[in-house]
This record gives sequence, C-alpha cells and structure tokens, in this order.
Amino acid sequence: EIVLTQSPGTLSLSPGERATLSCRASQSVSSTYLAWYQQKFGQAPRLLIYGASSRATGIPDRFRGSGSGTDFTLTISRLEPEDFAVYYCQQHGSSPHTFGQGTKVEIK
Amino acid sequence: EVQLVQSGAEVKKPGETLKISCKGSGYSFTNSWIGWVRQMPGKGLEWMGIIYPGDSDTTYSPSFQGQVTISADKSISTAYLQWSSLRASDTAIYYCARASPYHYMDVWGRGTTVTVFS
Repeated sequence: EIVLTQSPGTLSLSPGERATLSCRASQSVSSTYLAWYQQKFGQAPRLLIYGASSRATGIPDRFRGSGSGTDFTLTISRLEPEDFAVYYCQQHGSSPHTFGQGTKVEIK
Repeated sequence: EVQLVQSGAEVKKPGETLKISCKGSGYSFTNSWIGWVRQMPGKGLEWMGIIYPGDSDTTYSPSFQGQVTISADKSISTAYLQWSSLRASDTAIYYCARASPYHYMDVWGRGTTVTVFS
C-alpha cells in the first residue's frame, strides 16, 4: 500500500498569502495518478487537480499542482477567503487508492 | 448536469444490516467507475473500493474487504454499499464519487451519514 504523507498538518495564513502544501509518497507514483481535493467544512470533497498538474473544470488558476515521483505540491498563489479548507492528495494508480491525511489551511 | 444523489441519513443499532445507495444521472453510469469513501467523525478520507457498473468489476481496499459489499444495478443507475452486521465503528459519512478512467474522483455525492449506536 502506498502511504501519502501530507505536510504541514495545519497552515495558518492570511488572505492574499501564498500557500504551499506538500504530499510525499512512500513509493513512486506516476504523475498521471496523483490528484488533489478540497473539502470545506460540512461539504463533500471537490476535485481540484488531476494528473498532478491539470486543473479540474471550474478551478481557478491560482491553484497549481506540480511534482513527480514521490514529491508533489499544491500551491495556492493568493489565498481567497473561500480557499480556507482541508486539502487531500490521493494516488489512484495502485490499489488501494490511498489519500493523504490532509492539510488544513486556516485563517491566521 | 452530472449528479450523484445519495440516500438519506441512517441511524442503526449494532448487528443490524444496512444498504445505502448512490444514483447517478447526466452521464453514462454503465461506463463509468463509482468509488466509495469513508470519513469518520473529525477524520480524513479513506478509500473503500471501486466498482465498474458495466460488468460489476469491483476492487476493495484490504481495510474494507469482507467488511462491506459494493454492488451496482446498471438498469437503474445506482450503486450500493452494504453491511451485514454494523458496528459502532462504522459510524461515519460515506461518499460515493464517479471515478474517471484513470480513477480520480471527479464528481461526488453529498454523502450519507451512518450512525450506529446501541
């Protein structure tokens, strides 16, 4: 089973700041099979990024995914109030399709 | 519009059976994977398994193999998650999601809350 470790656990930032979230895999993951999701409190998760760097439909360009191999990053260039949420990475190339434990982006 | 509509919240006792549903619309249900994800109270997302309704090809996470059954009825565009004997530790929100051919989950249901207590 591929273990995904996200860091930091919590990121405290102000609106307008840049957020950098990390997702590290216990073994190499093809970029094709790395996704990022956003979950706001009380809501279902929403797909943000697939294929490590492709934005899902309707996702603003302030969200950028990058990385390869075992190290992947989600960057939010300038935080908007609606971006404060929990973010999960997922690898879906090897069963089970594991999620990271999540990074909470909170208002400082 | 692509939608997944999940069945309503359930309150059950330990040992009882349960089957929750996820109805797809606005796309080819038969030719798209459906995955199930658990979220225990205050915790993260856990991938449970995935099914291809066209031929009922199903893969389970080892953590959930033997604990739940995933099924689908393509004639009514509905996927199911069922338990034969619930435990208190099954208390959680269960999400279904459409999975792309590469298996990332691009459309999610709103979730079904399952509460198990005696």
